[in-house]
Amino acid sequence: GAVVSQHPSWVICKSGTSVKIECRSLDFQATTMFWYRQFPKQSLMLMATSNEGSKATYEQGVEKDKFLINHASLTLSTLTVTSAHPEDSSFYICSARVRDRVSYEQYFGPGTRLTVT
Amino acid sequence: AQSVAQPEDQVNVAEGNPLTVKCTYSVSGNPYLFWYVQYPNRGLQFLLKYITGDNLVKGSYGFEAEFNKSQTSFHLKKPSALVSDSALYFCAVRDFSGGYQKVTFGTGTKLQVIP
Repeated sequence: GAVVSQHPSWVICKSGTSVKIECRSLDFQATTMFWYRQFPKQSLMLMATSNEGSKATYEQGVEKDKFLINHASLTLSTLTVTSAHPEDSSFYICSARVRDRVSYEQYFGPGTRLTVT
Repeated sequence: AQSVAQPEDQVNVAEGNPLTVKCTYSVSGNPYLFWYVQYPNRGLQFLLKYITGDNLVKGSYGFEAEFNKSQTSFHLKKPSALVSDSALYFCAVRDFSGGYQKVTFGTGTKLQVIP
C-alpha cells in the first residue's frame, strides 16, 4: 500500500516551453503533497507543500510563477515548470503524506528527470 | 529550526560486515525521525521511523536504527551488509512542536558495499 506514482519518469523539452509533471497517490488519499527538487549528489530541497483544494505554500526562494502547483483532488497534484530553462534541469520528486493517527508518514514517487535543452 | 546532519558523504563496508550510517539531529521539541534509501534515478523508499517507544527501531530489509536522545543521534545499522544495500541513504527529522510540519532531510550518505 501507499504507492505514489509520477508521470512522466523522464522528459526532455526545449528552452522556453512548459512541462507538466503529475503525481498520484494510487491507493490512498493524500490531503498533503510535497514537491522536491534534487540536484546531482545532493539532498532533497523542498519546493512547495500543496494541500488539496487550496493554494500551495512555496519555500523561500522558489518562484511560484515559474513552478505552478495544482492539487485538484485527493489523489493528484501537478507541477508545471513554465518557460523552462536549462538551469531548471533536475530530478523532481513528489511525496504524499499518509495521514494516520501517529506518524503522518510520507511516501515518495519515483521521480521525474527533467532535461531542458 | 530543525536540522539533520549526516557527517559522512560515503561509507564503504565489506559484504557480510556490519554497517553503520550516522545521523544527528536538532529540534526544539520531540523528534520524529526517518530513514530513507534512494537507488539511482529513483525516488526515496521508506526504511524505518522513530516516533516514540523503544529506542531500537527495526525496519525494512534488515535495517534498524537506534534513537539516542542524549546524543541526539539516530544511526542506521545492519548486522550484515549486502552488495544490494549499496545506495544513497537519507536521514530525516520532523519537529512536531508548535505544529511545525516540514520534514528536513540530511545531505545523504552513499553506502558502498564491497563484494
